[in-house]
Amino acid sequence: NAGVTQTPKFQVLKTGQSMTLQCAQDMNHNSMYWYRQDPGMGLRLIYYSASEGTTDKGEVPNGYNVSRLNKREFSLRLESAAPSQTSVYFCATKWRSEPVSTDTQYFGPGTRLTVL
Amino acid sequence: AQSVTQLDSHVSVSEGTPVLLRCNYSSSYSPSLFWYVQHPNKGLQLLLKYTSAATLVKGINGFEAEFKKSETSFHLTKPSAHMSDAAEYFCVVSDKELSFGAGTTVTVRA
Repeated sequence: NAGVTQTPKFQVLKTGQSMTLQCAQDMNHNSMYWYRQDPGMGLRLIYYSASEGTTDKGEVPNGYNVSRLNKREFSLRLESAAPSQTSVYFCATKWRSEPVSTDTQYFGPGTRLTVL
Repeated sequence: AQSVTQLDSHVSVSEGTPVLLRCNYSSSYSPSLFWYVQHPNKGLQLLLKYTSAATLVKGINGFEAEFKKSETSFHLTKPSAHMSDAAEYFCVVSDKELSFGAGTTVTVRA
C-alpha cells in the first residue's frame, strides 16, 4: 500500500499562474485534509473533507479551492498564485472525522511550492 | 475553542542526555493528544498518541509522554537523545478539530 501520495513533489510558479496539487490515499479513510506549513507556525488547515462529496473551510482557505473527486482523491487548486502562498503543502487522511476522535492522521510527503 | 502551545521553539541537547519537549493545551472537551516528528524534508510521522487508556503513553524510538489533566500538559520525553532525534516535533490536540502547535526544533550535539 502506498498510503498517502502527493504530486508534484516540487513546483515553481510565477505570480498569477494556476495549478492543482493532487492527493490520493489507498487506506479507505473517510476524511482528508490539506495543510500548509510555514516556519514557526506549525501546520494550518486550509480545507478538509469529512466524507466524499463534502468539503469545508479550515483556518486559512483564502486563495484556494478543493475538490473531493471520490473517496480516494482530494485536490487543492490555486487559481492565481501569490508569493504569500509559497509554502510546503501536506495532505492528510483520517479514518473518521467525528469530534474527539483518537484516530491517527496519516500525512503525505508534501509538496514544496515556490511562487515568484 | 482549543489551542496548543509548545513552550520551546528550539531545544538543544547533547547526545546521551535527556530530552524534554513541553506542550500545553486548552480544550473545552476531553481531547485526544498526539506528538508527530518531522525530519528534514520529510513528511510527518506519528510518535505517539493519548487515547485515555493510560496517562503515560509510550511511543516509537524510546519517546514517551505523560498526560496531566490538572496541568493541561502533554510533555514529550526521552531518557537518552540520539543524533537521529534531530528533527522538528509537533504537539497536536484533537477536539472538535485538529490543532497543531508551532513546533519545537531539536538539535543534538555530539
